[in-house]
Amino acid sequence: GENVEQHPSTLSVQEGDSAVIKCTYSDSASNYFPWYKQELGKRPQLIIDIRSNVGEKKDQRIAVTLNKTAKHFSLHITETQPEDSAVYFCAGVNSGGSNYKLTFGKGTLLTVNP
Amino acid sequence: EAGVVQSPRYKIIEKKQPVAFWCNPISGHNTLYWYLQNLGQGPELLIRYENEEAVDDSQLPKDRFSAERLKGVDSTLKIQPAELGDSAVYLCASSKRLAGATDTQYFGPGTRLTVL
Repeated sequence: GENVEQHPSTLSVQEGDSAVIKCTYSDSASNYFPWYKQELGKRPQLIIDIRSNVGEKKDQRIAVTLNKTAKHFSLHITETQPEDSAVYFCAGVNSGGSNYKLTFGKGTLLTVNP
Repeated sequence: EAGVVQSPRYKIIEKKQPVAFWCNPISGHNTLYWYLQNLGQGPELLIRYENEEAVDDSQLPKDRFSAERLKGVDSTLKIQPAELGDSAVYLCASSKRLAGATDTQYFGPGTRLTVL
């Protein structure tokens, strides 16, 4: 099955700086990679996703890059704000497989210091 | 549109007692997921339904956990009897999954279970 590794487990940045979270996956057939943001005590919310037919996707201050050859993908947040503080989870899945199972990383606690 | 609804939000029980969680998915979503989230970890799939059929329950501890999704809409997850190690957040998610396609999973707020 798929294995997703996420680094770092904690990340502290100053407001206005950039933050980068990296994930690797093991199943070369995986083709869909969402990122979720989870604030303390709240539900995970999708913030951006990428499919394997593109290498980069951007939405305002958030971008995700995918390197299929190396089997890794990254989340980039620019101009961080205190409200970006949360736990971020990456995930991967093979959407065409019979066992459609989203495998999550262990999460990164991002703290943006004002 | 209304999001995924779960109840209760919090539950405290003593070990060996039964407990049940309820989930109402987003209207029109045919696929429903139950996840377990331990503190400091990502969600782990327990069971996946497509309509009323459980298509993946390989991670569900069947000796004490059971689930049902009658009529392909609402779902309940039950634990009987609960153990101390079951303390966690139980998340429900739903999606409008088409075969062979990717889909976005929308999560509910979760039920935080504490077993004493």
